[in-house]
Amino acid sequence: GAVVSQHPSWVICKSGTSVKIECRSLDFQATTMFWYRQFPKQSLMLMATSNEGSKATYEQGVEKDKFLINHASLTLSTLTVTSAHPEDSSFYICSLRGLAGETYNEQFFGPGTRLTVL
Amino acid sequence: AQSVTQLGSHVSVSEGALVLLRCNYSSSVPPYLFWYVQYPNQGLQLLLKYTSAATLVKGINGFEAEFKKSETSFHLTKPSAHMSDAAEYFCAVSDGQAGTALIFGKGTTLSVSS
Repeated sequence: GAVVSQHPSWVICKSGTSVKIECRSLDFQATTMFWYRQFPKQSLMLMATSNEGSKATYEQGVEKDKFLINHASLTLSTLTVTSAHPEDSSFYICSLRGLAGETYNEQFFGPGTRLTVL
Repeated sequence: AQSVTQLGSHVSVSEGALVLLRCNYSSSVPPYLFWYVQYPNQGLQLLLKYTSAATLVKGINGFEAEFKKSETSFHLTKPSAHMSDAAEYFCAVSDGQAGTALIFGKGTTLSVSS
């Protein structure tokens, strides 16, 4: 299966600053990546679908101007949390989806990024 | 629209006992179903998946799940629990269409006591 990395794994920032989270596919060209957020003791909630070379598709209730997604290449998608506030503190996880063969329809997840906003 | 319901937010078993984690799905099209495990502060690891082949699916770490269309269920089982199985487990569903994400259940925390 695909190997997905995220950077940073943990970030602490002050309220009002912006934080960029990178999601990289190390051995797989992904035209589509997904961004999820997970609050403590809760499930993963899809935030947006990131498409290479085009605008991301955001889920209802997710502010696209606050959570900027850039999928500039087949191996990199970035999520920027702009003007972060304490309520944005969460675990952010990216994933990409297998499109053929044995991995068809399987999603490969990154290790996650824990964001803490003070 | 698709959805997943995991019955029981917390399941506790003794080491060596049977593990049963319940998952029911709703889907208007033949579903693809998945079970993932998550350890604290880590991403998700795929345990097993159902993709319309065999209804009994065997996964890693001794886990298996059976797809029952008549019951719209995909329960996860393991004959004998190990302490290392303690984690959060998520059931997820997909419609199989290219570019669509997984829909996750709320998760079940499995505790294993000695």
